[in-house]
Amino acid sequence: SQQGEEDPQALSIQEGENATMNCSYKTSINNLQWYRQNSGRGLVHLILIRSNEREKHSGRLRVTLDTSKKSSSLLITASRAADTASYFCATDAFRETSGSRLTFGEGTQLTVNP
Amino acid sequence: ETGVTQTPRHLVMGMTNKKSLKCEQHLGHNAMYWYKQSAKKPLELMFVYNFKEQTENNSVPSRFSPECPNSSHLFLHLHTLQPEDSALYLCASSPRDGQPQHFGDGTRLSIL
Repeated sequence: SQQGEEDPQALSIQEGENATMNCSYKTSINNLQWYRQNSGRGLVHLILIRSNEREKHSGRLRVTLDTSKKSSSLLITASRAADTASYFCATDAFRETSGSRLTFGEGTQLTVNP
Repeated sequence: ETGVTQTPRHLVMGMTNKKSLKCEQHLGHNAMYWYKQSAKKPLELMFVYNFKEQTENNSVPSRFSPECPNSSHLFLHLHTLQPEDSALYLCASSPRDGQPQHFGDGTRLSIL
């Protein structure tokens, strides 16, 4: 099964509200990354949190990591219509044979209504 | 603009055609990747190149053939594809394997 699984699959909110997306994973990781994908475009890296970190901020983004529960959350505060996109978590799990490798989840589709 | 350029953006081909997808980055990155993105499925890693050497082939059928002639260019040669190969093919690069990746906007491939 996939290393990263996002929850919920879809989220619809009003502009100005906060949006929270969750990611669960199964194996030990080096770091966890969040990406955004606008329709018809490639993924854009948002933030990376290392396995020894618990919380990280970048602008309106706040990411938490709980390695004991193997889960992470992405909070977008004061959302804007331009935040409408799919959000993916990706885990970097070290493998002896091939070094690091990112594994992506299925994503959360966020819709921010004006 | 992510610094990773993919061409063409759209490609329609028959099952017996041969075509190539191109990816180019001038970010000075040493790792390059091909991914397949299908509807309702997670991003699937296909191939990884580190310093021009292929370091990962994720059980990809031989009708997909990658080529990395130098650290800035990556190709995906396509031959005798199947309808289920229709998808968005994304190229990415990173300074080294495991670091945040920069993605191109992909090639939307449709197999008739």
